[in-house]
Amino acid sequence: NAGVTQTPKFQVLKTGQSMTLQCAQDMNHEYMSWYRQDPGMGLRLIHYSVGAGITDQGEVPNGYNVSRSTTEDFPLRLLSAAPSQTSVYFCASSYHGSNTGELFFGEGSRLTVL
Amino acid sequence: DQQVKQNSPSLSVQEGRISILNCDYTNSMFDYFLWYKKYPAEGPTFLISISSIKDKNEDGRFTVFLNKSAKHLSLHIVPSQPGDSAVYFCAASAFSSTGFQKLVFGTGTRLLVSP
Repeated sequence: NAGVTQTPKFQVLKTGQSMTLQCAQDMNHEYMSWYRQDPGMGLRLIHYSVGAGITDQGEVPNGYNVSRSTTEDFPLRLLSAAPSQTSVYFCASSYHGSNTGELFFGEGSRLTVL
Repeated sequence: DQQVKQNSPSLSVQEGRISILNCDYTNSMFDYFLWYKKYPAEGPTFLISISSIKDKNEDGRFTVFLNKSAKHLSLHIVPSQPGDSAVYFCAASAFSSTGFQKLVFGTGTRLLVSP
């Protein structure tokens, strides 16, 4: 009963390095999204996807890239890490037809950029 | 401009008493409101939701009330239990043409239920 799986759980980067946060879901959900959580800010939407091959920007997309080649996977790429990207990142999935927009979240990936 | 606000960063309640968590919003286009619960080192988990056409939704110990004219909703937990100690996020969503509903989250309220 995996649900949404994120890797790695923890990562430390130096400024300027690049990396990819992995996200996979096994619920056959059409929609996937990435949020970041910062102290005092709640969760903010970075990018989302409504299906394979279709992605769009959320509230805070700068510095991040995404792609969706399969229904299951939705990786988040940091192109050139900056200290402002220190945060906890959550991947989420949801299904078409959910009127509420209920999201199923992964356990999170804590990223520190030095 | 914060569209969803939770003005109380923390709340302490004794076991068995009622916990009331509050949330205010500014965007009248929101059509669903959700509450999520988050334990440390875990992802948020869905708790309860309410449609904008209703004013109350109940699920066991959890009840959400919506006052559209005041743009205010609240989550009542009765009776509160120590296991309810967590951070509670209020979120709101609005229908979009793609079907994907972007959730806008509040900043969270940390609830501590003491025995």
